Amino acid sequence: AQKITQTQPGMFVQEKEAVTLDCTYDTSDQSYGLFWYKQPSSGEMIFLIYQGSYDEQNATEGRYSLNFQKARKSANLVISASQLGDSAMYFCAMREVNSGNTPLVFGKGTRLSVIA
Amino acid sequence: KAGVTQTPRYLIKTRGQQVTLSCSPISGHRSVSWYQQTPGQGLQFLFEYFSETQRNKGNFPGRFSGRQFSNSRSEMNVSTLELGDSALYLCASSLARTGEAFFGQGTRLTVV
Repeated sequence: AQKITQTQPGMFVQEKEAVTLDCTYDTSDQSYGLFWYKQPSSGEMIFLIYQGSYDEQNATEGRYSLNFQKARKSANLVISASQLGDSAMYFCAMREVNSGNTPLVFGKGTRLSVIA
Repeated sequence: KAGVTQTPRYLIKTRGQQVTLSCSPISGHRSVSWYQQTPGQGLQFLFEYFSETQRNKGNFPGRFSGRQFSNSRSEMNVSTLELGDSALYLCASSLARTGEAFFGQGTRLTVV
């Protein structure tokens, strides 16, 4: 069964600094997708970045990049040049593809606080 | 391009009542999934619809049901509400059953 682990319940980062949010996953499927979402206090889940298991390059979207290490089964999110508006909950999620297109499975999340 | 729209944003219901939540996916998206988010259990999958057919169902009692219409809009219904059903209900739409999933703002349901 697929599983996502986020070991950092909360993190603090200084404004303009870079921060890495950890995510490890477990799956027996060879084909899967990894996602990161941001959830501000308003509740909306905002899609940040996606990495397919067969993508050789690490995904990047603006200030967000995904450090994908397949052998270690890790998919860490790196936020560069943190901004106050980055303060939110961040969720890592995975979807297996070969196992009948299973739904997204989420980690418990990491609460990021950006300090001025 | 409009995003995923969920209505209503907030609901207060009493125990025993039923409730219907609505989700309009991004135009052209055919897959709609529903998730329940609570502080204790985190994000849990409810069900997925694709082309008006339920393709996947999570581990929730039969009081939770859903459907999808021909225009891909989806509704979920919870009957005989319990206090534990208080949660944020999130809807996600995808172009296909794989790839990026985009969420709406959620419906915050409070059962009193």
